[in-house]
Amino acid sequence: DAKTTQPPSMDCAEGRAANLPCNHSTISGNEYVYWYRQIHSQGPQYIIHGLKNNETNEMASLIITEDRKSSTLILPHATLRDTAVYYCIVRATSYDKVIFGPGTSLSVIP
Amino acid sequence: EAQVTQNPRYLITVTGKKLTVTCSQNMNHEYMSWYRQDPGLGLRQIYYSMNVEVTDKGDVPEGYKVSRKEKRNFPLILESPSPNQTSLYFCASRTITGQGNYEQYFGPGTRLTVT
Repeated sequence: DAKTTQPPSMDCAEGRAANLPCNHSTISGNEYVYWYRQIHSQGPQYIIHGLKNNETNEMASLIITEDRKSSTLILPHATLRDTAVYYCIVRATSYDKVIFGPGTSLSVIP
Repeated sequence: EAQVTQNPRYLITVTGKKLTVTCSQNMNHEYMSWYRQDPGLGLRQIYYSMNVEVTDKGDVPEGYKVSRKEKRNFPLILESPSPNQTSLYFCASRTITGQGNYEQYFGPGTRLTVT
């Protein structure tokens, strides 16, 4: 699996957009980018994934650069409940192991 | 409701006393996995299973056993627990069919303390 790099922590004001970056400069052509989050010792929760196109669902948007070497997870209107550790993961096939790095600890501030 | 359940949620035990943490999923997923999470070390995979009767070691398998006799269940067994196995444990499952969407579902976690 390609290695990912994320900032260790970020702050965001409540109601503002939270933009969480992830670098995956060695990503292969068939590897997807996944985002999960973990709210204070709960089980990690899937957020979104994508291959090369931008993706949006009810939770977030995922913007992948054209060269696919980095991506940004966007929480459009952050709330206090979005305070969590966010993990960016790349994986190709269904048989690939899921490797969780240290992630980004996002604090949403009132 | 699609879910992964784990029992017990909290357990305090003593060194050497065998224990089992159960994991069950109701989504007919082929793939199941156990992770442990420790401060500063993140989530590390212990064992995983691609299907019934197929298991393999993850990154930190020492001191653990697993079995997969039924598709829905994947128990984690600690034959002789030691204090360094004090941790937060998560079970997860996902499908391995289809194209690209391999969302993992995680259980609520089991906090184990070995004294």
